[in-house]
Amino acid sequence: GESVGLHLPTLSVQEGDNSIINCAYSNSASDYFIWYKQESGKGPQFIIDIRSNMDKRQGQRVTVLLNKTVKHLSLQIAATQPGDSAVYFCAENRVGTYKYIFGTGTRLKVLA
Amino acid sequence: DAGITQSPRHKVTETGTPVTLRCHQTENHRYMYWYRQDPGHGLRLIHYSYGVKDTDKGEVSDGYSVSRSKTEDFLLTLESATSSQTSVYFCAISEPPFLGGSPLHFGNGTRLTVT
Repeated sequence: GESVGLHLPTLSVQEGDNSIINCAYSNSASDYFIWYKQESGKGPQFIIDIRSNMDKRQGQRVTVLLNKTVKHLSLQIAATQPGDSAVYFCAENRVGTYKYIFGTGTRLKVLA
Repeated sequence: DAGITQSPRHKVTETGTPVTLRCHQTENHRYMYWYRQDPGHGLRLIHYSYGVKDTDKGEVSDGYSVSRSKTEDFLLTLESATSSQTSVYFCAISEPPFLGGSPLHFGNGTRLTVT
């Protein structure tokens, strides 16, 4: 069946280090991908997105990489800060459809 | 938070009672969605709306109904709440999905407990 990152692993990183969070997607028809950050008690917050005609996109301190060959998505956070502690999850979508498939995410813990 | 307000933020209700959750947006987006979030699952779509009075079912719509009488408001109703509907409910909005990829923007959720 369709799945996007069903497990919720934890990634612990030292403050100031770079973080890499990974996501596998299974629907080869998906052509739009989104990363979200969710802090405790809040709704998911949009971080960055990427379309399948790109393999890399950069934002402020974040980079998303897309490998369509192995259906893999990653989020890189540079110089991780305590405020980056949250659950991060990816979502996939086929452009033109209402259906977004979400993973359960990865918990990022930033160690001081 | 993209101008999305959900109310109430917390609700405790008894099995068998009706419950209505409200989502209000100030972004004038046509598309609105209701999701539920449960441990061990990604966000799952309950219902969505693509315009005033235009709604459709998502993957977990049983036991839920929705209404959209104005662009800015999208209501989710549990006609007779059950314990399996204990969850955190999120409203989301987006630009039309056919515009080359549109991210969802979420409210801060309603935590519903059915006892």
